[in-house]
Amino acid sequence: EPEVTQTPSHQVTQMGQEVILRCVPISNHLYFYWYRQILGQKVEFLVSFYNNEISEKSEIFDDQFSVERPDGSNFTLKIRSTKLEDSAMYFCASEDAPRRDTQYFGPGTRLTVL
Amino acid sequence: KQEVTQIPAALSVPEGENLVLNCSFTDSAIYNLQWFRQDPGKGLTSLLLIQSSQREQTSGRLNASLDKSSGRSTLYIAASQPGDSATYLCAVRPLWGGKLIFGQGTELSVKP
Repeated sequence: EPEVTQTPSHQVTQMGQEVILRCVPISNHLYFYWYRQILGQKVEFLVSFYNNEISEKSEIFDDQFSVERPDGSNFTLKIRSTKLEDSAMYFCASEDAPRRDTQYFGPGTRLTVL
Repeated sequence: KQEVTQIPAALSVPEGENLVLNCSFTDSAIYNLQWFRQDPGKGLTSLLLIQSSQREQTSGRLNASLDKSSGRSTLYIAASQPGDSATYLCAVRPLWGGKLIFGQGTELSVKP
């Protein structure tokens, strides 16, 4: 069964550094999402992406964040200057169109900012 | 603003027991509701998805119901097993847009 993959599984970085989290969505899916889950808290929506542009973003997704689909398979989340409070599990999800019913989630990247 | 709440936060039951997990949401204008399972340190696995026009969905020992007018959903697990131990999340999708809004989850422990 096709699945969403994410790399790395765990990333440790120093505060102020840039990080790029990578996702390979299910092929032929056209809608892509990033969510995050701070330890002990709810899963929170960050951003959705369709047709090479952001379709929706949350208040969390400020200028420090950006997303990109650099080629036909990868979907990336970049955090320009990490803060301690960016430490969280980051999940990528993808969804096919036009059904748009079930979002399929990747295993997540645990980001630790020191 | 849509808020999703799950009760209880944690539940411990002996193996074989039937159990119900609850999810409530404040805005009934939803497109669908989805139940997920999350194992510790892992991703989210979709269990059941109920469209706003549906009342329930079943998969094996799992049954999810939806009462949109009252803003409630339940996940019924029959004959629980230790392998069911995980955190169960419900998430609603608003009528407009694609994002999911999650509850905080119910941590289930099934004791042998």
